Amino acid sequence: DSGVTQTPKHLITATGQRVTLRCSPRSGDLSVYWYQQSLDQGLQFLIQYYNGEERAKGNILERFSAQQFPDLHSELNLSSLELGDSALYFCASSDARAEEQYFGPGTRLTVT
Amino acid sequence: DQQVKQNSPSLSVQEGRISILNCDYTNSMFDYFLWYKKYPAEGPTFLISISSIKDKNEDGRFTVFLNKSAKHLSLHIVPSQPGDSAVYFCAGTEGWGKLQFGSGTQVVVTP
Repeated sequence: DSGVTQTPKHLITATGQRVTLRCSPRSGDLSVYWYQQSLDQGLQFLIQYYNGEERAKGNILERFSAQQFPDLHSELNLSSLELGDSALYFCASSDARAEEQYFGPGTRLTVT
Repeated sequence: DQQVKQNSPSLSVQEGRISILNCDYTNSMFDYFLWYKKYPAEGPTFLISISSIKDKNEDGRFTVFLNKSAKHLSLHIVPSQPGDSAVYFCAGTEGWGKLQFGSGTQVVVTP
């Protein structure tokens, strides 16, 4: 158990819909990262937050957004969903050292 | 643009023998490298890491070697155990958090 929690575990929704994925980092970790793992793309970095502020952006679509709240939990919002958004979405957290990230169990999103 | 490459999608090894997983990278700004292990339906689990100023780091059965001039790193698992059967990902970072992952190597440890 990494100490990072993600909800929900599974999500099935239709194209065009909007969903919110939630992540709680390990106790004391200020950084939260979101990654997407799809069949053909491997693990891709989406976005990083540090203590409530966006710190780095990767291959995140404009239809996707994220935020980190004062209690340090984070949410990833995916809107206007397309079939290609079906993937595993992982959240990770790290302490100030940043190099070692600890991953949650993931949310499997299926868009039908 | 794939900055981290794991060219062997799979590796089969006998229990008790050495597993050697390889990883190549192109980004010379990477200053830290990590290996993660992933079981199906679980998130990646941190295994071992190495700073770019070192050429070797060891933790129990796991040793990571870094050859900066060749932009190559490898993970040695000795001895391999059935519980080591998983997908192993190599990742590099420039030090500010974003991990660039390779595509993974599926390891199967046979009795």
